[in-house]
Amino acid sequence: ILNVEQSPQSLHVQEGDSTNFTCSFPSSNFYALHWYRWETAKSPEALFVMTLNGDEKKKGRISATLNTKEGYSYLYIKGSQPEDSATYLCALGYNQGGKLIFGQGTELSVKP
Amino acid sequence: DAGVTQSPTHLIKTRGQQVTLRCSPKSGHDTVSWYQQALGQGPQFIFQYYEEEERQRGNFPDRFSGHQFPNYSSELNVNALLLGDSALYLCASSLEAGSLLYEQYFGPGTRLTVT
Repeated sequence: ILNVEQSPQSLHVQEGDSTNFTCSFPSSNFYALHWYRWETAKSPEALFVMTLNGDEKKKGRISATLNTKEGYSYLYIKGSQPEDSATYLCALGYNQGGKLIFGQGTELSVKP
Repeated sequence: DAGVTQSPTHLIKTRGQQVTLRCSPKSGHDTVSWYQQALGQGPQFIFQYYEEEERQRGNFPDRFSGHQFPNYSSELNVNALLLGDSALYLCASSLEAGSLLYEQYFGPGTRLTVT
């Protein structure tokens, strides 16, 4: 049974803090790893898609890395802002266009 | 450019009833996937439709069925509702013949409550 684990489950930080969280998965063949940001009452928004070991992606203050050999991905947020408050989901795709297997998410709360 | 839309937003049904949820994919997308998110869990894959056929299916009973129309919109039907079917149902669309790094675009979901 494939299991995608995210840690921590929740995180509370102050505005300006930098933070990171982890997505762990069985180190096996997969097609792509996805990160989504999901704000309350909105649609999950795609942040990054990564496929290669050592991939690094960046979008503004948010960046992500992928280590397929050891089975983890990190998401970093530099200088957190209240608008970063959301649930961050990672998901594995095992074939192009196919189903995604999600972790349970990390809920981030940034206090002003 | 309209994103993925879902209707209705909220729905309350009684045990044993049947429900139909609807999804319109992002413009230009031809593949629709459905996910169920129960409280405290990540979204769970239900099934995916492409070219009006179910292409992949997750671990859900036959009470869950779907349909895709020629315009690529999709419906999710759940029969004989159980209390445990209460969840947020998400629809995601993608382009089958898209780039290597395909993305699934999600709608805001339909909140189903079964009483």
